[in-house]
Amino acid sequence: GAGVSQSPSNKVTEKGKDVELRCDPISGHTALYWYRQSLGQGLEFLIYFQGNSAPDKSGLPSDRFSAERTGGSVSTLTIQRTQQEDSAVYLCASSLGGTPDTQYFGPGTRLTVL
Amino acid sequence: AQSVTQPDIHITVSEGASLELRCNYSYGATPYLFWYVQSPGQGLQLLLKYFSGDTLVQGIKGFEAEFKRSQSSFNLRKPSVHWSDAAEYFCAVGARGNAGNMLTFGGGTRLMVKP
Repeated sequence: GAGVSQSPSNKVTEKGKDVELRCDPISGHTALYWYRQSLGQGLEFLIYFQGNSAPDKSGLPSDRFSAERTGGSVSTLTIQRTQQEDSAVYLCASSLGGTPDTQYFGPGTRLTVL
Repeated sequence: AQSVTQPDIHITVSEGASLELRCNYSYGATPYLFWYVQSPGQGLQLLLKYFSGDTLVQGIKGFEAEFKRSQSSFNLRKPSVHWSDAAEYFCAVGARGNAGNMLTFGGGTRLMVKP
């Protein structure tokens, strides 16, 4: 079946611009996660959605980062006023949402801030 | 808070040789443990996982891992490496908490395979 998809695969933007990254989870998966992979920090958790519950935003690095999930499916990660340190690969994962649970990752979006 | 250490940043092995990638974790309760592999420009692919039961788990592509509670380790092994195994490998621990089953990853081990 179809896996997690993310778009765009690559995004180049200028410092100070806003960007939106999209994630389409596996159909039927109620949990959705965003992670960031950067050279200096490795893989870091950003935010978690479970069904219709309020998201856990404990991993977001600043208030320039936000995310939403519409209809319990597609999610958008928005970065406002991008900075060069935001350059990274942003990975989305989805899962069935039980405990324990297995997350399946998308191919990622590579963001470059000039 | 949980943490994961992968002591080897780079490993080079010859094709056909055996492989062991080390992973040590820190967590106060029974962990959920995972190994993922990432090829260049790709996302993370699940190799195997440990939730409970038999401490030796089998995964895809001929990989296996053994959970050793006494050593807080979850090392990944393969008896005979293929050139296509060259990639970066990540060990991760999952813990039930506020952020669901959020994963904490190790820093990764980059595997190179010599012909």
